[in-house]
Amino acid sequence: DTGVSQNPRHKITKRGQNVTFRCDPISEHNRLYWYRQTLGQGPEFLTYFQNEAQLEKSRLLSDRFSAERPKGSFSTLEIQRTEQGDSAMYLCASSLDRAASNYGYTFGSGTRLTVV
Amino acid sequence: QKEVEQNSGPLSVPEGAIASLNCTYSDRGSQSFFWYRQYSGKSPELIMFIYSNGDKEDGRFTAQLNKASQYVSLLIRDSQPSDSATYLCAVNQAGTALIFGKGTTLSVSS
Repeated sequence: DTGVSQNPRHKITKRGQNVTFRCDPISEHNRLYWYRQTLGQGPEFLTYFQNEAQLEKSRLLSDRFSAERPKGSFSTLEIQRTEQGDSAMYLCASSLDRAASNYGYTFGSGTRLTVV
Repeated sequence: QKEVEQNSGPLSVPEGAIASLNCTYSDRGSQSFFWYRQYSGKSPELIMFIYSNGDKEDGRFTAQLNKASQYVSLLIRDSQPSDSATYLCAVNQAGTALIFGKGTTLSVSS
């Protein structure tokens, strides 16, 4: 297992287009998290899953954002009708539920989105 | 609103010195505390976690936690140029997602 994998690494899209990102967590990890990070800021929580259930969503996650984890393995994050303010690094992380509070998360390399 | 506050820096120290990074948090219910290191253009990497009051040492790194003061710090001894990065403080309660500070940029000069 090579850690948390995110695809694509970079995405440039025109304003108004839809984009979808994929995250493959560490195989035995049942928790999966999405964060967004802009320049000079720390990661901002978007949502997280335990297995296939979406347990928490941030107020940052507007109705243009949707995340899924259909079989409790990989996850997708879709942004509809992209805006320039959506330009950011989108980070995925995973953990074991019993370890999350004590041992933190493992992050993927991120997907950098640029909306032009 | 749960908040994690860090001085954005930059904090500049000479090689071999001790770097001291500080973090305060607003939620008294916070139970676990983490320090991540993030190099420019890379994703965060976990370097330390602590959940009991006091000090925890791991090599050149020491995390310090004071729950009464809602304060957590990271000391880096014998700082090296390779330690130059942004250090992110993160906290959570059991069952909730990590909340991150904005990070402190550390610059170690040789």
